[in-house]
Amino acid sequence: GIQVEQSPPDLILQEGANSTLRCNFSDSVNNLQWFHQNPWGQLINLFYIPSGTKQNGRLSATTVATERYSLLYISSSQTTDSGVYFCAVGEGGNTPLVFGKGTRLSVIA
Amino acid sequence: DTGVSQDPRHKITKRGQNVTFRCDPISEHNRLYWYRQTLGQGPEFLTYFQNEAQLEKSRLLSDRFSAERPKGSFSTLEIQRTEQGDSAMYLCASSSDGLVGTFGSGTRLTVV
Repeated sequence: GIQVEQSPPDLILQEGANSTLRCNFSDSVNNLQWFHQNPWGQLINLFYIPSGTKQNGRLSATTVATERYSLLYISSSQTTDSGVYFCAVGEGGNTPLVFGKGTRLSVIA
Repeated sequence: DTGVSQDPRHKITKRGQNVTFRCDPISEHNRLYWYRQTLGQGPEFLTYFQNEAQLEKSRLLSDRFSAERPKGSFSTLEIQRTEQGDSAMYLCASSSDGLVGTFGSGTRLTVV
């Protein structure tokens, strides 16, 4: 099956700093999503981005499908950005998402 | 619409007991997914339904695990004869297009 690797596994940032999270995947995918899991366990979808670039406020994501990686950018980080960021990929609409192990982000004031 | 609702939020059970979790999806979503998440890992797919049909169940962890969605609305996940290794967060998600899903807050199971 598809393998998903995320890096770095852990990241500590000072409030206001920028960061880049990476997701590598082992096979062609038609579905790629980034999620944020808050400290209470709630998973929130950030981006559906099987290819191209999207931006939402301080967050943006880029997927280069031909090279099998995706990047999540967080600018001007805030303490509320803390949590675990997951990349999840799938082969299409009826195949389940395969999640990476996540990047645990801690933003300190 | 209040999103995906899971009940209970927490469950502590003794080893060997049976447990059942409930998931109420977003009403217009016809797809419903169950995932399991252990500490330090990403969610792991278990099974999914399209309406009342269970389209994938080979990833259920053992024959002690079963899921139903009898009327294509809410779903239940049952674990029989629980073991300590079943301790995890059980997540439910629903989707209308099979692509972007909405996750519930999960049920945290502790087997003692």
